[in-house]
Amino acid sequence: NAGVMQNPRHLVRRRGQEARLRCSPMKGHSHVYWYRQLPEEGLKFMVYLQKENIIDESGMPKERFSAEFPKEGPSILRIQQVVRGDSAAYFCASSAFREGYGYTFGSGTRLTVV
Amino acid sequence: GENVEQHPSTLSVQEGDSAVIKCTYSDSASNYFPWYKQELGKRPQLIIDIRSNVGEKKDQRIAVTLNKTAKHFSLHITETQPEDSAVYFCAATVRAGANSKLTFGKGITLSVRP
Repeated sequence: NAGVMQNPRHLVRRRGQEARLRCSPMKGHSHVYWYRQLPEEGLKFMVYLQKENIIDESGMPKERFSAEFPKEGPSILRIQQVVRGDSAAYFCASSAFREGYGYTFGSGTRLTVV
Repeated sequence: GENVEQHPSTLSVQEGDSAVIKCTYSDSASNYFPWYKQELGKRPQLIIDIRSNVGEKKDQRIAVTLNKTAKHFSLHITETQPEDSAVYFCAATVRAGANSKLTFGKGITLSVRP
């Protein structure tokens, strides 16, 4: 089991560009969560998705941010027109709802906006 | 929504001593409390968790206690070692319906002095 796979590990974007972060959950997991971590801060919830459905996006900024988890392929977190304040580590986690409550995190994508 | 707070924000102990990290939560309906360890530049990893139907759980040198009345839970690490140095996050969730997102505290940096 390869675990939760995130790519890229590091992403550098210029202000105004788009950033696409990908997350493949663990095999058998159908629930994906995205969190953002700023330096010396905790993990802030962004969005919770199941296949083809957004369950909770209460932590997503209203503009420029979107997420999807299609029937086939990885979950995508998309940030349009990036600004310096978007620089952070973005972690994806997955869980198998029926097995319990625990999350497994991916290694994260470190986004730097220059 | 749920609010999780951790105190203190940093903790330094001598190798071999015990470390106690405390968290409080606000939502009395929360029923699952995991602890994650994050080493520098790495993913958060689940180290222990507790459900609301038990008051204490132990796994080798680590233990977690839960006081539902006071709405706080604590992580106890005995015989600390330098490799225990990391950031520790507590979290809470209410497993209600399809939404089981975790709310995290801001984390505490534990330093174990050799």
